[in-house]
Amino acid sequence: DIVMTQTPLSSPVTLGQPASISCTSGQSLVHSDGNTYLSWLQQRPGQPPRVLIYSLSNRFSGVPDRFSGSGTGTDFTLKISRVEAEDVGVYYCMQGTHFPYTFGQGTKLEIK
Amino acid sequence: EVQLVESGGGSVQPGGSLRLSCAASGFTFSTYWMHWVRRSPGEGLVWIFSINGDGKTILHADSVKGRFTVSRDNAKNTLYLQMNSLRAEDTAVYYCVREDCSGGHCKKFDYWGQGTLVTVSS
Repeated sequence: DIVMTQTPLSSPVTLGQPASISCTSGQSLVHSDGNTYLSWLQQRPGQPPRVLIYSLSNRFSGVPDRFSGSGTGTDFTLKISRVEAEDVGVYYCMQGTHFPYTFGQGTKLEIK
Repeated sequence: EVQLVESGGGSVQPGGSLRLSCAASGFTFSTYWMHWVRRSPGEGLVWIFSINGDGKTILHADSVKGRFTVSRDNAKNTLYLQMNSLRAEDTAVYYCVREDCSGGHCKKFDYWGQGTLVTVSS
């Protein structure tokens, strides 16, 4: 199974400041079709996860443009340009290139 | 509006069984891959099953092999998860998830149900 490793596991951030979460995969997530199936999910307290970013860098419909995804075959980053109060929650990276699909451990974003 | 509503969770003793259902609405259910993902305190999010639109292709995680089965009834727009021989480590919130494959990008888990809690304990 592909191991997805996120850092940090906890991220206290000041409102209005940027935040960044890293995710590393045990092997390349570049699929044979050319896509990199790396997604970022957000889970707010009491809510199910929701997709923010799919296929490495594509923002899902309705997701604010302060969220962006980037990376290469094994190293990925989610950036929030200016953290807002509603961004509190747990963020997960997920790979869909290889079966079984696997998730990172989660990064808890909290406000200082 | 796309909706996924899980039901059937509850408390069960080790070795027991439960069947979860996921009622889908707001989209053409039979044309989408669907998945079950669970979240437990110890493991975080874990993918356990995928099933294609006609139900003929099923992929599963090793942790549930031989104990859980997935099926779908496209006439009823419902996804099922039959869980047998339940163990304490199966305690989790179980989510039904839709995968979108539009625009040349698959593996997009675009809609998640609210989840249903399964607790396995004696």
